[in-house]
Amino acid sequence: GESVGLHLPTLSVQEGDNSIINCAYSNSASDYFIWYKQESGKGPQFIIDIRSNMDKRQGQRVTVLLNKTVKHLSLQIAATQPGDSAVYFCAEIDNNAGNMLTFGGGTRLMVKP
Amino acid sequence: DAGITQSPRHKVTETGTPVTLRCHQTENHRYMYWYRQDPGHGLRLIHYSYGVKDTDKGEVSDGYSVSRSKTEDFLLTLESATSSQTSVYFCATLPRAGTGNTIYFGEGSWLTVV
Repeated sequence: GESVGLHLPTLSVQEGDNSIINCAYSNSASDYFIWYKQESGKGPQFIIDIRSNMDKRQGQRVTVLLNKTVKHLSLQIAATQPGDSAVYFCAEIDNNAGNMLTFGGGTRLMVKP
Repeated sequence: DAGITQSPRHKVTETGTPVTLRCHQTENHRYMYWYRQDPGHGLRLIHYSYGVKDTDKGEVSDGYSVSRSKTEDFLLTLESATSSQTSVYFCATLPRAGTGNTIYFGEGSWLTVV
């Protein structure tokens, strides 16, 4: 079936550097793409989303880029901080499929002080 | 915060016993979801609901059933629990279609089947 996946299982960065987490998706009919952050023992926490008709969206220290041509999604975190250490998931939602929210496998971000 | 409460938060049960997890929300959200998350893995959709008494299967629905008799409650039942169903279960809600940034998750229910 359709799925969302990630390229890198673990990413280690130095505090203050920028982080880039990548995701590949396969459902071209998805309407929204979402990035979640999950800390140990907690539920996923919304970071930022992007509609399928957009290429880029910026939030506070985070930017999501969507390349529909190659079905690729990325999350950029500027000036990474120790508090950013977590597992990051991309997800997609298809409004024509009962608003099913499908997750990728996750990338662990480790920030070195 | 959609006022999502999952219960129980932790449970240990024996193989072959029935188990019901409850997701309760206070915001009148239309859509509700049940996911399971296994160590080192992402969240996999078990079942979801798009309204009262309207439910559908996700990618890992075998061994699970759900019910939604009222907007605020979405129940997940393991009819006969197996060790492979040891996992963390997350409930999520979405108020309406056409948005991505209003999906909220509960804090999880840790289920151990021995």
